[in-house]
Amino acid sequence: DTEVTQTPKHLVMGMTNKKSLKCEQHMGHRAMYWYKQKAKKPPELMFVYSYEKLSINESVPSRFSPECPNSSLLNLHLHALQPEDSALYLCASSGQGAYEQYFGPGTRLTVT
Amino acid sequence: GIQVEQSPPDLILQEGANSTLRCNFSDSVNNLQWFHQNPWGQLINLFYIPSGTKQNGRLSATTVATERYSLLYISSSQTTDSGVYFCAVGLTGGFKTIFGAGTRLFVKA
Repeated sequence: DTEVTQTPKHLVMGMTNKKSLKCEQHMGHRAMYWYKQKAKKPPELMFVYSYEKLSINESVPSRFSPECPNSSLLNLHLHALQPEDSALYLCASSGQGAYEQYFGPGTRLTVT
Repeated sequence: GIQVEQSPPDLILQEGANSTLRCNFSDSVNNLQWFHQNPWGQLINLFYIPSGTKQNGRLSATTVATERYSLLYISSSQTTDSGVYFCAVGLTGGFKTIFGAGTRLFVKA
């Protein structure tokens, strides 16, 4: 099973709200990724967790807070977002010693 | 940093035609993937191809790592092939991944 799931599919939030995005994989992968994709642009890497530890933070603003509670689960906590943060947020995972990434369907986030 | 360039940026094909998409990268990479992004945003794995040649049905891909390019071939295109094709490269020594800008393909019936 090469499935990565993401919830919710769509999210609308105000600039003062706090919300979380969730990503889950059951492929035994040890690396998990968050990407942000604006319309008509390629995905841009935000964070990478390897063995539940933060490995890469691409200078993402602190209003985005990642969390990896266990090897199957990845969260992205959102607080005080700006309208320009509206985008498709994609989660991916890859296996130990391998870098082939599998993507979830994404969460479409709109900040009002 | 590494540059990843895809060409052409846009491509319109008649159903049944063949096409070649190109991905050039400016530095050594330890992995390369091709994806198809459908209209709903889902990134679908086409090939994991850091080097060599692979084929899957009507699609095939070749990566020449020493010359820093990869090609994706689509034969007998179908309307369902429409969408955006991305190549993504992984930098040597870690998980950092850079996507090219994509090739937007439209196949006409």
